[in-house]
Amino acid sequence: KAGVTQTPRYLIKTRGQQVTLSCSPISGHRSVSWYQQTPGQGLQFLFEYFSETQRNKGNFPGRFSGRQFSNSRSEMNVSTLELGDSALYLCASSLYPVGSYEQYFGPGTRLTVT
Amino acid sequence: ELKVEQNPLFLSMQEGKNYTIYCNYSTTSDRLYWYRQDPGKSLESLFVLLSNGAVKQEGRLMASLDTKARLSTLHITAAVHDLSATYFCAVVPYSGGGADGLTFGKGTHLIIQP
Repeated sequence: KAGVTQTPRYLIKTRGQQVTLSCSPISGHRSVSWYQQTPGQGLQFLFEYFSETQRNKGNFPGRFSGRQFSNSRSEMNVSTLELGDSALYLCASSLYPVGSYEQYFGPGTRLTVT
Repeated sequence: ELKVEQNPLFLSMQEGKNYTIYCNYSTTSDRLYWYRQDPGKSLESLFVLLSNGAVKQEGRLMASLDTKARLSTLHITAAVHDLSATYFCAVVPYSGGGADGLTFGKGTHLIIQP
């Protein structure tokens, strides 16, 4: 069974630009969550999507947005990039919404903002 | 606001020794996850604990959950070098059926020396 895939794996952008990251969950999984990992703030929850609906969102500015498609693939968009957005962005998939089900993490997208 | 505290944050130990990592959280929850992360890698799911008194074991690792004390432990028995990694606990706050995403501890950086 294929795991969670994320593209691209590495990305370098300039301040002010925008970026879109993609996540394909494990086949059959309908929930996708996104997390940001930085040395200073650790792992922080961004948002979760289930059946194309955003179920919850973490404490991040509106520059961070996402969506989920009917095939459960998800994209995350960050507009007007700031240096502080440099991080490892992880997505995780699970059968159903976070809570009682195991979450499987993808390899991550490492974003560097210069 | 849910707070998750792990201790110790850094642990250096010798092969063959036993040790315990502690994870305290600040609000009601009966759903706790343990993950392992190797340098430059994503998160690997170790255990999902879904009820008070839950105990799970895999090889040299054993995790338990005490929801009344709001405490989970990850016990390492007869440590081997391959267990060197950063270990995270993560909690889902109880929200009556909803889900707010995982809140992670800062991680315990474990080094096992020969």
